[in-house]
Amino acid sequence: DGGITQSPKYLFRKEGQNVTLSCEQNLNHDAMYWYRQDPGQGLRLIYYSQIVNDFQKGDIAEGYSVSREKKESFPLTVTSAQKNPTAFYLCASSSGQGRPYSNQPQHFGDGTRLSIL
Amino acid sequence: GESVGLHLPTLSVQEGDNSIINCAYSNSASDYFIWYKQESGKGPQFIIDIRSNMDKRQGQRVTVLLNKTVKHLSLQIAATQPGDSAVYFCAEKGGGYQKVTFGTGTKLQVIP
Repeated sequence: DGGITQSPKYLFRKEGQNVTLSCEQNLNHDAMYWYRQDPGQGLRLIYYSQIVNDFQKGDIAEGYSVSREKKESFPLTVTSAQKNPTAFYLCASSSGQGRPYSNQPQHFGDGTRLSIL
Repeated sequence: GESVGLHLPTLSVQEGDNSIINCAYSNSASDYFIWYKQESGKGPQFIIDIRSNMDKRQGQRVTVLLNKTVKHLSLQIAATQPGDSAVYFCAEKGGGYQKVTFGTGTKLQVIP
């Protein structure tokens, strides 16, 4: 079945540590996104990528980094510079001829919950 | 600024009744709207979408209504079932290739 796979499901970060969240899709979508979800708030965009080797900052990119070396993969690194990393992180992808925001829905993975030790 | 919001944070519905979840938006240039369902501990699941050149769109047991005059979006679920219990949120895309903005969600509780 086609879909988006996020791993791990739960992740714990120690003080001063960088952690990487994995996102893989087999939907052949060009665009991929990372969102952060906090209780009582809508999804907030961290980074997005519309094509391999290209990515753009979203609204809350500080303390995060991404790479897009393969069409299928868009890993997110939460760096030690992110002082409040505890959240539910969601990866999404969409089709649209290389455009990040066409009239096509974004499809989401099942998230990674990151907590601080 | 632009915003996407919901009228009710929690909605309780008797099993078998119809549910209506509402969403207000403020960007009159938005041209594409999406409803998602999110179950606890899972990612959002696409339910149905609608473009701004439409007023109504139907899916399986769901209907989305768009009223551009008052900038209002609603999701109707027919014959609500216990499996419909989840958080539902709307999203809007600004005109052209503007980013998608997500609402905060309404929790739907189905009473058996």
